[in-house]
Amino acid sequence: DAMVIQNPRYQVTQFGKPVTLSCSQTLNHNVMYWYQQKSSQAPKLLFHYYDKDFNNEADTPDNFQSRRPNTSFCFLDIRSPGLGDAAMYLCATSSNTGLGDTQYFGPGTRLTVL
Amino acid sequence: SQQGEEDPQALSIQEGENATMNCSYKTSINNLQWYRQNSGRGLVHLILIRSNEREKHSGRLRVTLDTSKKSSSLLITASRAADTASYFCAPMDSSYKLIFGSGTRLLVRP
Repeated sequence: DAMVIQNPRYQVTQFGKPVTLSCSQTLNHNVMYWYQQKSSQAPKLLFHYYDKDFNNEADTPDNFQSRRPNTSFCFLDIRSPGLGDAAMYLCATSSNTGLGDTQYFGPGTRLTVL
Repeated sequence: SQQGEEDPQALSIQEGENATMNCSYKTSINNLQWYRQNSGRGLVHLILIRSNEREKHSGRLRVTLDTSKKSSSLLITASRAADTASYFCAPMDSSYKLIFGSGTRLLVRP
């Protein structure tokens, strides 16, 4: 089945230790998104790729970076995680008809920072 | 800033009853989408209503949109215990971004 896959599902890191979360998709969608969702809060868009074009949200901290080496994969790098970065990180994709379409979400990676 | 604001924040109903959730937003939109999230999981798309539509149905779901009032509602009819989840409205703004609200936590008691 076509889907959005996130690995790992649970990630524990230490304060200040870099961590990478991964997302892959078999939908062949050209738009990929990363959201941060803290407990009982709304998902918050961090950035998105339209093909190889990277679009950062104005209020996304510099601590968060992303890479998209090909259509199928997208990575979220947190350079120096702080306690406030503990959250669920959601990857999503949408189709090449534009950004106005349904987004398909992965199951998320829950990040714990010790 | 949050675009979609859901009301109520939490809702508890008996199985078989209808559940209504409301959403308000602030700016002009291209469309408005509703998503569902089971505890600790990803979001699942439920329904999309475009800015020129007023009502849309999908199975037991009915969504309305009133652009003059900048509001939308989601009705789930004949609720089931499996409908227990958080429901988010997500207006899509003019830059094609989804801006999620904090969600309504729905509990359907068997």
